[in-house]
Amino acid sequence: AQTVTQSQPEMSVQEAETVTLSCTYDTSENNYYLFWYKQPPSRQMILVIRQEAYKQQNATENRFSVNFQKAAKSFSLKISDSQLGDTAMYFCAFMKLNTNAGKSTFGDGTTLTVKP
Amino acid sequence: NAGVMQNPRHLVRRRGQEARLRCSPMKGHSHVYWYRQLPEEGLKFMVYLQKENIIDESGMPKERFSAEFPKEGPSILRIQQVVRGDSAAYFCASSPRGPRDTEAFFGQGTRLTVV
Repeated sequence: AQTVTQSQPEMSVQEAETVTLSCTYDTSENNYYLFWYKQPPSRQMILVIRQEAYKQQNATENRFSVNFQKAAKSFSLKISDSQLGDTAMYFCAFMKLNTNAGKSTFGDGTTLTVKP
Repeated sequence: NAGVMQNPRHLVRRRGQEARLRCSPMKGHSHVYWYRQLPEEGLKFMVYLQKENIIDESGMPKERFSAEFPKEGPSILRIQQVVRGDSAAYFCASSPRGPRDTEAFFGQGTRLTVV
């Protein structure tokens, strides 16, 4: 079974600064996907970024990038130029390849507050 | 193109009553997944359904919980004889193809409160 651990229950950052959220996972699988989801106060789950384990290049989506360390089973999210709208809960998630993204294992989340 | 629609957004039930949560997947999606989110925790997978079939119910509690996805109409998560511990946010997600999908789309969830 897979486990996903987010060791930072809460974090805060000043607007326009950079923040990094940590995620580690445990699996015996070699091929898988990793995700970061954002859950704002509206509770909507929004996919922020996706990483395929067989790709060495770190995924990037505008201000969001990841640091994927496969050997260390680490998958951190970096948010650059933080904006007030980034305030939300962030979840790291794992999915085995050849299953489907609908069946993922989630961490317990990190609440991020962006301060003006 | 409407997203995944869940209703109601909020549901209050007394202990012992039944709760019915509805999920209409995105247009063209025939795969539905239900998750439960307890306070201060992440989402926990409950069940995966296709039209008229339960594919994977490994996360469903053995008693009182059931799910269906009929040929016509929304998917329903049903909780019988609710208890206080059932209070949580229940999320539905959908995807178009199932095992080959790399993204599922989530609804806004139903917050169930048992009093």
